[in-house]
Amino acid sequence: DQQVKQNSPSLSVQEGRISILNCDYTNSMFDYFLWYKKYPAEGPTFLISISSIKDKNEDGRFTVFLNKSAKHLSLHIVPSQPGDSAVYFCAASAISYGGSQGNLIFGKGTKLSVKP
Amino acid sequence: GAGVSQTPSNKVTEKGKYVELRCDPISGHTALYWYRQSLGQGPEFLIYFQGTGAADDSGLPNDRFFAVRPEGSVSTLKIQRTERGDSAVYLCASSLRAASVETQYFGPGTRLLVL
Repeated sequence: DQQVKQNSPSLSVQEGRISILNCDYTNSMFDYFLWYKKYPAEGPTFLISISSIKDKNEDGRFTVFLNKSAKHLSLHIVPSQPGDSAVYFCAASAISYGGSQGNLIFGKGTKLSVKP
Repeated sequence: GAGVSQTPSNKVTEKGKYVELRCDPISGHTALYWYRQSLGQGPEFLIYFQGTGAADDSGLPNDRFFAVRPEGSVSTLKIQRTERGDSAVYLCASSLRAASVETQYFGPGTRLLVL
């Protein structure tokens, strides 16, 4: 039973346009959400995060939106660049879980291809 | 500074053999995590350490898997009597402390193939 779901295995976008990656979660205990980017043969790299007390967090070209009532978050990349081509993982955690601090629950990932 | 390093980068072994996977975290990071990523899946939590102690090992799939961090720095993941289903990329991550808000920095992983 997947607690973090990324239903789109892949996404293709033209350079300069917006990329929108989606993520749904089922566990209402989750209160901290993260996006990681992964290039082939490398480990995941932290991109951006959001706490459940916020509905938006922005860092340069990257913005994460959180809709708690829908248990949905999305990552927007504007403008998209060819170097953004990678697999993007959504992850969730529970700050307030008793005794289990920090372990992340990941989705399956979405492979983003940004075409020049 | 140096990031998280993992050795070996690739490991091929035969079913039934014992393997050890090593993780060198970022210096000064007290928390260390092990994840496993199977083909087409996201990383799956195995175990994490706060200092020398295993604070949560609930993700270890069975008692063939064991991990240690004797001096609070380097960690070794040990797999006994390997099975073909153990084939995956084993990822290690470290953070300043064990807390959701602390960024976890991942190593490149060890690709384990059990024949």
